[in-house]
Amino acid sequence: DAKTTQPNSMESNEEEPVHLPCNHSTISGTDYIHWYRQLPSQGPEYVIHGLTSNVNNRMASLAIAEDRKSSTLILHRATLRDAAVYYCILKYGNQGGKLIFGQGTELSVKP
Amino acid sequence: DTGVSQDPRHKITKRGQNVTFRCDPISEHNRLYWYRQTLGQGPEFLTYFQNEAQLEKSRLLSDRFSAERPKGSFSTLEIQRTEQGDSAMYLCASSPLKGGGARFRFFGPGTRLTVL
Repeated sequence: DAKTTQPNSMESNEEEPVHLPCNHSTISGTDYIHWYRQLPSQGPEYVIHGLTSNVNNRMASLAIAEDRKSSTLILHRATLRDAAVYYCILKYGNQGGKLIFGQGTELSVKP
Repeated sequence: DTGVSQDPRHKITKRGQNVTFRCDPISEHNRLYWYRQTLGQGPEFLTYFQNEAQLEKSRLLSDRFSAERPKGSFSTLEIQRTEQGDSAMYLCASSPLKGGGARFRFFGPGTRLTVL
């Protein structure tokens, strides 16, 4: 499975946008980019995913570089409840199979 | 539907004892996954089922670990002769086989195991 690289930690102020980067230089054409987050003492939860085009949903936006070697998860207005570990994951294909988690980025949000 | 549930939420055991955890997936989800997470690390894949069939096992799943999903609904993960290194959070996730939801994994809250 192709590998992702994320910063270990980031800080943000409440109600400001947050850009969480992810590098995946060895991504293949059939790898989807998934983002999950894990709030303290909870299991991971799905945030967003994409293949080539930028994606938006109610939680976040995903900006994918044209060469697909990097992507950025954008939280438009961080809240205290967004403090979590964010995982960028590459997954072959669009259906079943395992997700391989890295160490993720721990996001802290200051009031 | 209340999501993926796991039981127990916490388990403390002595080294050498056997433990069993249960996972109830979202109903009608054909796929069920087990992960292990140690402090400060991301979840590590252990195994996954499609209905009753165990389709993949990680090398992390030593012969002391066994997982079953006998009727294609709930699953159990058993650890025999526990060691202190088994102390971790054990996470279960499920997903449907087809449709838009097949892309997502719905995780349970996990079972925290402490081996003394």
